[in-house]
Amino acid sequence: QVQLVQSGAEVKQPGASVKVSCKTSGYSFTDHYLHWVRQAPGQGPEWMGWINPDRGGTSYAQKFQGRVTLTRDTSVSTAYMELSSLKSDDSAVYYCARDMGSTSNWFQFEYWGQGTVVIVSS
Amino acid sequence: QSVLTQPPSVSAAAGQKVIISCSGSSSNVGSNYVSWYHRLPGIAPKLLIYDNDKRPSGIPDRFSGAKSGTSATLAITTLQTGDEADYYCATWDGSLGVLVFGGGTTLTVL
Repeated sequence: QVQLVQSGAEVKQPGASVKVSCKTSGYSFTDHYLHWVRQAPGQGPEWMGWINPDRGGTSYAQKFQGRVTLTRDTSVSTAYMELSSLKSDDSAVYYCARDMGSTSNWFQFEYWGQGTVVIVSS
Repeated sequence: QSVLTQPPSVSAAAGQKVIISCSGSSSNVGSNYVSWYHRLPGIAPKLLIYDNDKRPSGIPDRFSGAKSGTSATLAITTLQTGDEADYYCATWDGSLGVLVFGGGTTLTVL
């Protein structure tokens, strides 16, 4: 079955960077775009961007341009999200999610990782 | 402030029906597919509806979606206590160039 398993919780100081992994299994890694979505307490989800695991192409929400980097390692079917220059309002649960489309983006997500809590605090 | 507007909360008795609305604009709901998710505390969001009105396998037909113009709705019939969760709509916004989510609606089953 399709699984997305994320790395564990992180506590970071303001100004630091965090890198979250999303290991996939149960399907061909290069067949579906992967997205990253975060949700801060009391707020709705916020889309951060996507990566094409096949060719490595990426697209980021303008809000995160210059601070977020999405990468992937096809040899281990894993995607990564790195967010730099962390601020307290970056504290949130970060999710990876698999796009429903095969080789194209539908921006609709049937499979999600379990979420990674990132706390930014001095 | 979310681009997509949802009521903060809805409630209904077990066994009854509830409808959650999602209001947007021509650049998002009006021109793109809408999906719906629910999220239980501490659990990842789960897709309930995609392409406005389609259900993924495993989602019961108690859940249905519809779209008209710049508004979408999620209907849940025969409410169960296990349906208590936060519900979110989402769609692509062509003007902003981002996937946008509603602020979420908390469903309480009385």
